[in-house]
Amino acid sequence: AQKITQTQPGMFVQEKEAVTLDCTYDTSDPSYGLFWYKQPSSGEMIFLIYQGSYDQQNATEGRYSLNFQKARKSANLVISASQLGDSAMYFCAMRDLNNAGNMLTFGGGTRLMVKP
Amino acid sequence: DTAVSQTPKYLVTQMGNDKSIKCEQNLGHDTMYWYKQDSKKFLKIMFSYNNKELIINETVPNRFSPKSPDKAHLNLHINSLELGDSAVYFCASSTARRGQETQYFGPGTRLLVL
Repeated sequence: AQKITQTQPGMFVQEKEAVTLDCTYDTSDPSYGLFWYKQPSSGEMIFLIYQGSYDQQNATEGRYSLNFQKARKSANLVISASQLGDSAMYFCAMRDLNNAGNMLTFGGGTRLMVKP
Repeated sequence: DTAVSQTPKYLVTQMGNDKSIKCEQNLGHDTMYWYKQDSKKFLKIMFSYNNKELIINETVPNRFSPKSPDKAHLNLHINSLELGDSAVYFCASSTARRGQETQYFGPGTRLLVL
């Protein structure tokens, strides 16, 4: 069975600094996808970034980058130049790409708070 | 031009009632999902559905049933509501095309059972 672990229930970061949110996963499947979502206080789930298990390079999307270390089974999210609007819950998720249901397994989330 | 929409946004009801939550996507996706987010913010898959098959998370009570009138809609019906059903329910959709499997979520429906 797949499992996603986010060990940081809450984190503070100073505005304009970079922050790393940890995510480790466990799967026996060779082909999988890793996702990060942001959930602000308004409640919607916003897709941030995707990394495929066979991708050669780490994914980047604007200020978001994914530090993918396959051997360690980690997929940490790095947010550069934090902004006040980055304060939110962040969820790491995984999908087994060979799974017919294509369902996501989520970690417990990390609450990020950006200090002015 | 909302991609994935859900109605209602809020739903307050009595125990024992039957209710439905509607979901529509205009992304042309072929797979839709329902997730439940509990009070501790934990998200769990309930169903995955495309026009070929329904995959049910085995932990979901059979009081919950998804119904899809067409490819763009996946509604969630809940019978005999219980207090423990109070949660936020998210609909999502995606394609099955490799490299484009990202799931896009609706705004959520906040269900409160009294």
